[in-house]
Amino acid sequence: EAGVAQSPRYKIIEKRQSVAFWCNPISGHATLYWYQQILGQGPKLLIQFQNNGVVDDSQLPKDRFSAERLKGVDSTLKIQPAKLEDSAVYLCASSLGRVLNTEAFFGQGTRLTVV
Amino acid sequence: QQPVQSPQAVILREGEDAVINCSSSKALYSVHWYRQKHGEAPVFLMILLKGGEQKGHEKISASFNEKKQQSSLYLTASQLSYSGTYFCGTEFSTGGGADGLTFGKGTHLIIQP
Repeated sequence: EAGVAQSPRYKIIEKRQSVAFWCNPISGHATLYWYQQILGQGPKLLIQFQNNGVVDDSQLPKDRFSAERLKGVDSTLKIQPAKLEDSAVYLCASSLGRVLNTEAFFGQGTRLTVV
Repeated sequence: QQPVQSPQAVILREGEDAVINCSSSKALYSVHWYRQKHGEAPVFLMILLKGGEQKGHEKISASFNEKKQQSSLYLTASQLSYSGTYFCGTEFSTGGGADGLTFGKGTHLIIQP
């Protein structure tokens, strides 16, 4: 079974530039999450999709971050403009159903460095 | 609210046992445990649900004390492959809405030969 695919693996940009990350979840997984993991910390949920609808984006900095999940499959996360504090690994995860009783599968992440 | 994990780090010799704790000040519905190796994705270990149900794999066990809002992960007869950072993820929802996990800061486990 193919896992969660993310690209790119690494990205270096200057502050104030924009960047986009792509995620392809495991086939058939209705729920998709984007997490931000700053070095030395646990993943922090940014946004959760159920199919193509947003369930929770309360921790997404909406002035600069946006995300979409077209057709309920692939998803993109965009940052515009980037700040130095956005440097982190951005993890995408998916699960069959709600995380309450199903495991989430994580992708390898995109490591973003903002200089 | 972010759960608190303890200890922050632990170093073991292969074959020794370890306990990693996770506590919350807020009522929990479920606790999820993940292990992450450096530069890799977090890997699922176990789910503990309110009411006692557990789902997981590998030779790892855990407990969930609903009254104290605490969970413990038990690593027995540790192997070199157990090295990594262990995260507990807590879920507060009772089913009505969003249910993304809130992760602790992690416990770094180093197993030495």
